[in-house]
Amino acid sequence: KAGVTQTPRYLIKTRGQQVTLSCSPISGHRSVSWYQQTPGQGLQFLFEYFSETQRNKGNFPGRFSGRQFSNSRSEMNVSTLELGDSALYLCASSLAEGSTDTQYFGPGTRLTVL
Amino acid sequence: KNEVEQSPQNLTAQEGEFITINCSYSVGISALHWLQQHPGGGIVSLFMLSSGKKKHGRLIATINIQEKHSSLHITASHPRDSAVYICPSLVPSNQFYFGTGTSLTVIP
Repeated sequence: KAGVTQTPRYLIKTRGQQVTLSCSPISGHRSVSWYQQTPGQGLQFLFEYFSETQRNKGNFPGRFSGRQFSNSRSEMNVSTLELGDSALYLCASSLAEGSTDTQYFGPGTRLTVL
Repeated sequence: KNEVEQSPQNLTAQEGEFITINCSYSVGISALHWLQQHPGGGIVSLFMLSSGKKKHGRLIATINIQEKHSSLHITASHPRDSAVYICPSLVPSNQFYFGTGTSLTVIP
């Protein structure tokens, strides 16, 4: 089976712009979770989608949003980008809801905000 | 104060040594993951635990929910084990809390 794929792998944006990141889970997986990783804060949980519904959400402002499609692919959107949004954004998929199942991580999207 | 504390934060070991990495929590948890992140950034999920002990190859993970503590043991360590190890914990509200990670370097 193909692993979790994320596109794009690298992205450069400027402050105030918006960005959409994509995650394709492993075939058959219905849960997709998103994480932000920065040197200062480490890994932080953004949100989880299962069967097109947001199941859990971390402590991030409303500028961060996401959705999941019927084929389980997920997108994450960040509006009005700030310099502090520069980070590695990781998604992980699992068969069941991610909190109780082994998660498989994608390679990440490296976002740089200038 | 972080809800999750990992120790040690940095660890250097000689090849072949037995290694232990610890996670302690200040909140009640219902489950925990152990993740391994290599220098290139790729993350691998090693274990998901809600009780007891799990073993996979040279890796052993244990958890004690009541004591709010989990350990990851690596037997016969190898340079390819060099990575950052992270222990996301799941609290009853279904939020994940992350430790800062333990950076392990195994020297040949």
